Amino acid sequence: AQSVTQLGSHVSVSEGALVLLRCNYSSSVPPYLFWYVQYPNQGLQLLLKYTSAATLVKGINGFEAEFKKSETSFHLTKPSAHMSDAAEYFCAVSNFGNEKLTFGTGTRLTIIP
Amino acid sequence: DADVTQTPRNRITKTGKRIMLECSQTKGHDRMYWYRQDPGLGLQLIYYSFDVKDINKGEISDGYSVSRQAQAKFSLSLESAIPNQTALYFCATSDRGQGDTDTQYFGPGTRLTVL
Repeated sequence: AQSVTQLGSHVSVSEGALVLLRCNYSSSVPPYLFWYVQYPNQGLQLLLKYTSAATLVKGINGFEAEFKKSETSFHLTKPSAHMSDAAEYFCAVSNFGNEKLTFGTGTRLTIIP
Repeated sequence: DADVTQTPRNRITKTGKRIMLECSQTKGHDRMYWYRQDPGLGLQLIYYSFDVKDINKGEISDGYSVSRQAQAKFSLSLESAIPNQTALYFCATSDRGQGDTDTQYFGPGTRLTVL
């Protein structure tokens, strides 16, 4: 069985500040991990994914995430927040070859001008 | 044009009515999925299909059925809609192998309201 926990359903940061969105996973086998972003009234868009290669993964729009097996974490960061980053972010996990994604409950990111 | 399309985008219906939500994709992917999204609950998998003849129940399939009419089309039906099926519904696709394993591509969603 696999699961994802996203700590903090709402996160607010000032424009230009560091963005940190937390994700912890549980998986009985080595996981694939994903971050998706959902802008208002749109579907989900892939930000980045970890598939057992480099543990530091770079994605679109300046986001990156680091896979830490010892901490079972895959936190999403961006050094400097932009107003356009306001959205809902979902962490998800799958098992290799399974292709069934299990999503976290999401974190809504608000950017304060 | 969008790779994954969903129709309708919005639908309001009454309790007891039969509703069909449709999903089409031009990505050539063999795998398709239906999810529902409720505030605070994230996305929950309703049904998934790994090819035209392979359909599987997800976490919350009760009250729903699906049809995979072709590789590119995957429909979700609510046989007798009830108010707690009011939600945002997403279709997604993925491709077996091809170096993009496990990445799912989502449609824009259908907002369904059951009165």
